[in-house]
Amino acid sequence: AQSVTQPDIHITVSEGASLELRCNYSYGATPYLFWYVQSPGQGLQLLLKYFSGDTLVQGIKGFEAEFKRSQSSFNLRKPSVHWSDAAEYFCAVGDFLLNQAGTALIFGKGTTLSVSS
Amino acid sequence: NAGVTQTPKFRVLKTGQSMTLLCAQDMNHEYMYWYRQDPGMGLRLIHYSVGEGTTAKGEVPDGYNVSRLKKQNFLLGLESAAPSQTSVYFCASSYSGTFAEQFFGPGTRLTVL
Repeated sequence: AQSVTQPDIHITVSEGASLELRCNYSYGATPYLFWYVQSPGQGLQLLLKYFSGDTLVQGIKGFEAEFKRSQSSFNLRKPSVHWSDAAEYFCAVGDFLLNQAGTALIFGKGTTLSVSS
Repeated sequence: NAGVTQTPKFRVLKTGQSMTLLCAQDMNHEYMYWYRQDPGMGLRLIHYSVGEGTTAKGEVPDGYNVSRLKKQNFLLGLESAAPSQTSVYFCASSYSGTFAEQFFGPGTRLTVL
């Protein structure tokens, strides 16, 4: 079955330091991968997505992610974290719904990012 | 352009009560989804719709019903609420079903006592 694993439940990073959030997936075909961010009390916002092509994907808010097929990973990175980046981050893989009538997202359990001053 | 809106934002129910959550989108999207979010579980798909008048079951459909009478609205119903349905419910919509970006509403926090 398709699945997404985010090994880190909670990460604390100093403001200005670099960030890497890990994501591993299990999917039988070419994966379609997403990173979403959820600020407290808010809905989810798409940071970036990978469908094909260049394995280094740029997103909003200065985030990037790298798809590594050999490691089944899609880690999210940011070179310098700001206090406003404190949020919960979800990695997801797109999976075909029944009869390929569409796709749903299979989410990881999320990583909570805290930013210290 | 409000995007995806959800009504209500908060609700407390007693076991056995019923209620309907409303999701509305103004982006003319064909696909709509209901997810639930539980601590440490990520989001899980409850039901989805690929167009007006259609609905289908997702990963965790038991105890819920849905309807999509109008393209812009997707209703999630709880006929007889149970404490296990205490959760945060998110609605999402997308233009197409083929790995298109899903736009999420702000969520409804439901507590069942």
